[in-house]
Amino acid sequence: KQEVTQIPAALSVPEGENLVLNCSFTDSAIYNLQWFRQDPGKGLTSLLLIQSSQREQTSGRLNASLDKSSGRSTLYIAASQPGDSATYLCAVSPSGYNFNKFYFGSGTKLNVKP
Amino acid sequence: SQTIHQWPATLVQPVGSPLSLECTVEGTSNPNLYWYRQAAGRGLQLLFYSVGIGQISSEVPQNLSASRPQDRQFILSSKKLLLSDSGFYLCAWKRDRDHEQYFGPGTRLTVT
Repeated sequence: KQEVTQIPAALSVPEGENLVLNCSFTDSAIYNLQWFRQDPGKGLTSLLLIQSSQREQTSGRLNASLDKSSGRSTLYIAASQPGDSATYLCAVSPSGYNFNKFYFGSGTKLNVKP
Repeated sequence: SQTIHQWPATLVQPVGSPLSLECTVEGTSNPNLYWYRQAAGRGLQLLFYSVGIGQISSEVPQNLSASRPQDRQFILSSKKLLLSDSGFYLCAWKRDRDHEQYFGPGTRLTVT
């Protein structure tokens, strides 16, 4: 079964700093990987989706990379702002007939201090 | 545009009582539907997913069940709640053969 790990569990940075969140998965046979943001008590908002054939995706100040062979993805946030404070989760879906399933990490809780 | 609704938003239920949580999607047809549970400070655990009416796949054996009586309606149920059923329940959908998942606002369930 696919296991997804996110490190660190929590991160506190001053405003303006660039930062990297990590996501690792045990089975490299994935269909895609998706990064989400979750505000306290709310549902998840999709940030970026990387298909298995892609190496990275960018949206504004966010850049997500994927290295399938090593089972790793990173989410890079440039010039962090207090509004970026939230929990960030990654999820992978396996390749093959189970591609409709998604396995989530436990998230990284980010606090950007003004 | 597509929207996903969940209700109720919050629920407090005693141990041993029944449960029914509802999720509906608007603006699309034949979506894949998902139920997840998120314990405090934890990631999301996939409970059930459905690729069509009456087609339910269970991921975790437990006292919960799911049903899909209509194309865009997904219901999570229990006959008798346990304390361990407390958590944040999230419904999600995606288009068949598409990649991206979209989540509802969630239901906070507290079992007392």
